[in-house]
Amino acid sequence: NAGVTQTPKFRILKIGQSMTLQCTQDMNHNYMYWYRQDPGMGLKLIYYSVGAGITDKGEVPNGYNVSRSTTEDFPLRLELAAPSQTSVYFCASSPSGRGISYEQYFGPGTRLTVT
Amino acid sequence: AQSVTQLDSQVPVFEEAPVELRCNYSSSVSVYLFWYVQYPNQGLQLLLKYLSGSTLVESINGFEAEFNKSQTSFHLRKPSVHISDTAEYFCAVSDRINKFYFGSGTKLNVKP
Repeated sequence: NAGVTQTPKFRILKIGQSMTLQCTQDMNHNYMYWYRQDPGMGLKLIYYSVGAGITDKGEVPNGYNVSRSTTEDFPLRLELAAPSQTSVYFCASSPSGRGISYEQYFGPGTRLTVT
Repeated sequence: AQSVTQLDSQVPVFEEAPVELRCNYSSSVSVYLFWYVQYPNQGLQLLLKYLSGSTLVESINGFEAEFNKSQTSFHLRKPSVHISDTAEYFCAVSDRINKFYFGSGTKLNVKP
């Protein structure tokens, strides 16, 4: 049982380049999330999804796009990389339940540097 | 929307001493509360959670947290810390639609 996997682990981008951060979970969770973590700022929600075909913006969506064509995959797209997007990106998933909140399961993260 | 405040960004403590990491939240609705731990260069792992029932919850490695509704707090405690507890700890709250809000984190540095 792999849980939540993310690729790549590290990436350096030049300003203006594009890339996709991959996230896959094998726990059949409906809910998936993308966060960015900056030093001293905790985790900020970028986008989330409550099921295949459904996505919504979080706190800091500007500069990012997502899609959710399957339950397992939730890729995050950076179209025009900017230095402000230098961060560590975490993908997470959680099971859904009516009126009940379950914990999130996190991937190992992707460390992105934009120069 | 919810918000979570972790009052201490860093907590230095000597090995075998007790520690308390503070967490306060603001919410007008019922919430679920979590503590996550992050070791260097790793993702977050669930440490403990409060969903309902007893207000005191415990983890398998000796941490405990108490939900205090009147003070809107969920402080994390351990009576005797080990070097291996050195990590960053995040408090989080969730509402009934599975949106999670994280605090800014507290770095626990256990010294020998």
